[in-house]
Amino acid sequence: KQEVTQIPAALSVPEGENLVLNCSFTDSAIYNLQWFRQDPGKGLTSLLLIQSSQREQTSGRLNASLDKSSGRSTLYIAASQPGDSATYLCAVGGNNDMRFGAGTRLTVKP
Amino acid sequence: GAVVSQHPSRVICKSGTSVKIECRSLDFQATTMFWYRQFPKQSLMLMATSNEGSKATYEQGVEKDKFLINHASLTLSTLTVTSAHPEDSSFYICSAREAPGGYSPLHFGNGTRLTVT
Repeated sequence: KQEVTQIPAALSVPEGENLVLNCSFTDSAIYNLQWFRQDPGKGLTSLLLIQSSQREQTSGRLNASLDKSSGRSTLYIAASQPGDSATYLCAVGGNNDMRFGAGTRLTVKP
Repeated sequence: GAVVSQHPSRVICKSGTSVKIECRSLDFQATTMFWYRQFPKQSLMLMATSNEGSKATYEQGVEKDKFLINHASLTLSTLTVTSAHPEDSSFYICSAREAPGGYSPLHFGNGTRLTVT
């Protein structure tokens, strides 16, 4: 069964810093990898989707990379803002399921 | 973009009663829907995979007689929590694929907060 791990579990940074969130997975036979944002008590907001044949995706201040062979993905957030504070979830897509990591809880201090 | 609607968003019920949660794909047909559960400060755990017209596939440790899943049409899947107990209180989220196969992204509903008193 696919296992997804996210490091760190929590991260606190001052506003303006660039930061990297890490995701690793045990089975490299994936179809895609998706990063989500979840605010407290809310549902999921999809941030970036990387197909297995792609190496990275970018959206605004966010950049996600995928190294399928080593089972790793990173989410890079540039020039962090207090509004970026949330839990960031990495999810790995198989043919008929999607498995989530435990998330990284990010706090950006003004 | 593809929209998944989940209803209700919040429900409070008494212990021993049953609760039904609906998940609809509004602008696409979903042959496969997924149900997740999330406990406070934890990640999403896959409960079951629901395929239209067939029985759901449950993850290990999930009681199929307690969490009844019905996927009677290409746009609707329901999760019924039967004889609910306080330990079933959780955040339940459904998701659906736009197209068959693993390359199609999942679209998520906004979740249902279930509180069993």
